[in-house]
Amino acid sequence: DQQVKQNSPSLSVQEGRISILNCDYTNSMFDYFLWYKKYPAEGPTFLISISSIKDKNEDGRFTVFLNKSAKHLSLHIVPSQPGDSAVYFCAASDAGNQFYFGTGTSLTVIP
Amino acid sequence: DAGITQSPRYKITETGRQVTLMCHQTWSHSYMFWYRQDLGHGLRLIYYSAAADITDKGEVPDGYVVSRSKTENFPLTLESATRSQTSVYFCASSGQSNQPQHFGDGTRLSIL
Repeated sequence: DQQVKQNSPSLSVQEGRISILNCDYTNSMFDYFLWYKKYPAEGPTFLISISSIKDKNEDGRFTVFLNKSAKHLSLHIVPSQPGDSAVYFCAASDAGNQFYFGTGTSLTVIP
Repeated sequence: DAGITQSPRYKITETGRQVTLMCHQTWSHSYMFWYRQDLGHGLRLIYYSAAADITDKGEVPDGYVVSRSKTENFPLTLESATRSQTSVYFCASSGQSNQPQHFGDGTRLSIL
């Protein structure tokens, strides 16, 4: 049973616009969330994280929002660039040793 | 170079064969992980290790064996490969359990 869900397999956005990637989770014990970016034939690379004590975390063009009551987080990329085209995974942990990953969203930024 | 490396990058084998995927990291990270990536499932944890000689099962451990005799190495063995184990396998490491993990570039394994 998938504890972390990314319901949009793909997303296309024009260069310069905002990309919004969504992630839902079912386990209320999750308290640490991350986003990874993955290019073809490479491993995932860490992008940004957020702890459950916060509702927002920013790093340059990337912002992650957490809505604990809705068990929902989102990644905003502003402005989107062609180099952002990749698969994005969200992941969650309950302070244990395991992270649970979503199925990924493939983002295409159109020049 | 510092980092995490996986070998081989590609492997084709037959059902029933034993195959070992290698993972080596140079950061002296305590934690190491093995994931498989399949369409529709994302990344699923197979096994992880908190330190040398300590290993634990993840979500999908059946059919796999791991060992960790040295901190820097974490090999994954399929003792008798099955077609359902055709996948892309990723190794990862982290300094502590609840920290972002650093991933290798993966091994694409095909079992015929």
